Amino acid sequence: QQQVKQSPQSLIVQKGGISIINCAYENTAFDYFPWYQQFPGKGPALLIAIRPDVSEKKEGRFTISFNKSAKQFSLHIMDSQPGDSATYFCAARRGANNLFFGTGTRLTVIP
Amino acid sequence: AAGVIQSPRHLIKEKRETATLKCYPIPRHDTVYWYQQGPGQDPQFLISFYEKMQSDKGSIPDRFSAQQFSDYHSELNMSSLELGDSALYFCASTHLAGNEQFFGPGTRLTVL
Repeated sequence: QQQVKQSPQSLIVQKGGISIINCAYENTAFDYFPWYQQFPGKGPALLIAIRPDVSEKKEGRFTISFNKSAKQFSLHIMDSQPGDSATYFCAARRGANNLFFGTGTRLTVIP
Repeated sequence: AAGVIQSPRHLIKEKRETATLKCYPIPRHDTVYWYQQGPGQDPQFLISFYEKMQSDKGSIPDRFSAQQFSDYHSELNMSSLELGDSALYFCASTHLAGNEQFFGPGTRLTVL
């Protein structure tokens, strides 16, 4: 059973546009929600993370919006660049336990 | 900065053979997680260790075993390999379990 649902599966955005990826979860015990960026053949790299006591977190061009009541969170990439083309995974974790990943979104930014 | 080291980076095995994957966590990290990522799939948690003791177990087949040694490196042992074991295997480490998990570059295992 997929603990974290992610959409869309793939996304094509023009350079300079906004990329939006959405995730939803059911387990209210999750208390840490990171986003990972993965390039082909590489390990996932942490982009940005949020805890449920905060509704939004921004780091550079990357913003997480978190809606605790709806059990949803999303990643916004502003001013998307071709170098942002990668697969993005949302994830969730309870305490010190393992990460549960979403199914991934393959982002392509067209020059 | 030092990162998580995994070896080998690529491994090709025949069905029913055994394989050993190694993970060297970031210095002073005490917790190691193993994940398996099939083609086009999300990483799936296999097993984790904290201070050399197994801390959690996910969807790890009985044919697989793992351990963490006194120097905190970890090894994933895989026996009776099957075609379906072909995947990327990632190790992640963290300090004081609960903080950010840093992923290694992965080992690509191909079973023929």
